[in-house]
Amino acid sequence: EPEVTQTPSHQVTQMGQEVILRCVPISNHLYFYWYRQILGQKVEFLVSFYNNEISEKSEIFDDQFSVERPDGSNFTLKIRSTKLEDSAMYFCASSEKGIYGYTFGSGTRLTVV
Amino acid sequence: QQQVKQSPQSLIVQKGGISIINCAYENTAFDYFPWYQQFPGKGPALLIAIRPDVSEKKEGRFTISFNKSAKQFSLHIMDSQPGDSATYFCAASHDYKLSFGAGTTVTVRA
Repeated sequence: EPEVTQTPSHQVTQMGQEVILRCVPISNHLYFYWYRQILGQKVEFLVSFYNNEISEKSEIFDDQFSVERPDGSNFTLKIRSTKLEDSAMYFCASSEKGIYGYTFGSGTRLTVV
Repeated sequence: QQQVKQSPQSLIVQKGGISIINCAYENTAFDYFPWYQQFPGKGPALLIAIRPDVSEKKEGRFTISFNKSAKQFSLHIMDSQPGDSATYFCAASHDYKLSFGAGTTVTVRA
């Protein structure tokens, strides 16, 4: 069964450092998303990406965050200057038809120290 | 603003019993209501979903009941099995993004 692949599975970074979280969506999917889940809390929408541009973003997705699809397969989330409160599990998701058939990756646990 | 409210926070059920999780939403623009199952260290996986023009959907042991007038929907897990032990999230979507409930941790005791 096709799956969304995220790397690394766990990233530890110093506060103020830049991090890039990587995702390989399912190959025929056209819609890409990032969500985050702070430990013990609900999953929160960050950003959606379609046709090489952001289609929607949440209040969480401020100027410190950016997304990119640098080639035909990867989809990245960059946090420019990490803060302690950015510590969370970050999930990438992709879908073929918008909201239907979302597939989530296993996530990257980001720990900011 | 908490757009999707989920209860209970956790529940314990005996093997073979019924697990019931309830969700309520506020935004009447929501047009798709999926349920996700999440195991520790894994991403949410789509379990079952319903659209607001249907009042009930059943897939195997999992049933969604949907009450549009009350803006509520629920997940019933029939004949609960130890392998069903996981966290369950309801969600609602509008404009291609999902708003999740807070999650319910289900523990099925053998």
